[in-house]
Amino acid sequence: KNQVEQSPQSLIILEGKNCTLQCNYTVSPFSNLRWYKQDTGRGPVSLTIMTFSENTKSNGRYTATLDADTKQSSLHITASQLSDSASYICVVRRGSQGNLIFGKGTKLSVKP
Amino acid sequence: DSGVTQTPKHLITATGQRVTLRCSPRSGDLSVYWYQQSLDQGLQFLIQYYNGEERAKGNILERFSAQQFPDLHSELNLSSLELGDSALYFCASSVGQVAGNEKLFFGSGTQLSVL
Repeated sequence: KNQVEQSPQSLIILEGKNCTLQCNYTVSPFSNLRWYKQDTGRGPVSLTIMTFSENTKSNGRYTATLDADTKQSSLHITASQLSDSASYICVVRRGSQGNLIFGKGTKLSVKP
Repeated sequence: DSGVTQTPKHLITATGQRVTLRCSPRSGDLSVYWYQQSLDQGLQFLIQYYNGEERAKGNILERFSAQQFPDLHSELNLSSLELGDSALYFCASSVGQVAGNEKLFFGSGTQLSVL
């Protein structure tokens, strides 16, 4: 079954600390993997997009990694800020013509 | 601002009623996608239109229908509403089929409450 699983479900960290969010997928065939940030009550916003050949991609303080062999991805947030409080969603596209399959997200709370 | 416009932002209605959600994609985008997000659930793909034609269908109920008009705006019609249909409905758009590094842009959503 084509699934995207994210962990942890929720996370609380102190401002200035780093954190890493995990994404495991069973989607096949794989086309690309995306990380989105979703503020409460708002639409998701794209952070990174990685295709099969890309291992790492950065967007400011956000760094995503992809291991296509183990079907795992991570999103590392450096020097967290209060504005990083949001849900982070891992999304995998199935094949060149397939749909995007969304994980349930990790809810991150950054406390002062 | 993503450039994708959804109206209305909030909708409160009763069971058994019918509502229409509207989406205007970013200028130049040909694909429109509809997603449903229930409380504490991931986004569920409903349906995709590309340049006026239905391109892909997800877990869309028979009570729901959508269309994309010649000016590329799209409408999602929800009928015989049930309590369980209460959710955030998102529209997203892209130039093509989100292949490769092509981005998908989301609107701010319509919060539907069925009472």
